[in-house]
Amino acid sequence: DADVTQTPRNRITKTGKRIMLECSQTKGHDRMYWYRQDPGLGLRLIYYSFDVKDINKGEISDGYSVSRQAQAKFSLSLESAIPNQTALYFCATSGTANEKLFFGSGTQLSVL
Amino acid sequence: AQSVAQPEDQVNVAEGNPLTVKCTYSVSGNPYLFWYVQYPNRGLQFLLKYITGDNLVKGSYGFEAEFNKSQTSFHLKKPSALVSDSALYFCAVRDIIYSGNTGKLIFGQGTTLQVKP
Repeated sequence: DADVTQTPRNRITKTGKRIMLECSQTKGHDRMYWYRQDPGLGLRLIYYSFDVKDINKGEISDGYSVSRQAQAKFSLSLESAIPNQTALYFCATSGTANEKLFFGSGTQLSVL
Repeated sequence: AQSVAQPEDQVNVAEGNPLTVKCTYSVSGNPYLFWYVQYPNRGLQFLLKYITGDNLVKGSYGFEAEFNKSQTSFHLKKPSALVSDSALYFCAVRDIIYSGNTGKLIFGQGTTLQVKP
C-alpha cells in the first residue's frame, strides 16, 4: 500500500461546485502539505500543517480551505470551484523541516 | 526574492551519453537544495539533497548533483543515461531565512528529460 494516498485520482466538476480532495498517510509524519502543479509553473504550495491544531497558508491559498482531521488525514476543499483551479494536486508529508517530502500520486482536477 | 530556475523545458540525450539538467537559485540565506523526479501518472520522488558538506551529492538511480555557491547552481548529472530515466525533473530550494522551520520548498518549473535509444 502507498504511504501517501490521495482520493480521488481524477475528478471532473462544474464551476461553482464544492469539492473535497482527501489525503491520508501511514508514515506517521506530523507535517503535511498540499501543492498544485501547473504545466510550466512547477509546484506551488497551497496550505501546510504541522499538527491538527496548526494550519498555515501557503503562497496560493485563495479559493481553498483545508482540514486536518487527524495526524494521518489532511483534506483540501474548493468551496466554489472555478476553471483556473484546473490542475494536478499533490499531497505530501515529511518528518522534519529538512527531510525529503513523500508525495501521493496526485489528483487531476478539471473544472468546467 | 526566493526563486528557482530551470532554464530548459526539455533536455534530449541519447542512451549511454552523459546528461545534465540545469538548476539555478536565488535565496537570502544558505540554501537547502533538492531534486525530485516525476514519472508519468506518479507523484514526485526524492532523488537527492544538499544541506551542507561536500559539494558533490550522490543520490538515487546513479544521479548526482554539484552545489556551486559562486554560480548559485545545483545541476543534476548522470554519467550514462538510460531510456528509463525519461521523466520530469524538479529542482527545489529551501531558504532557511524565508522558510524558518516550516520546511517550505520553492520548486522550479520542471525539465522534461527525454532519453532516446
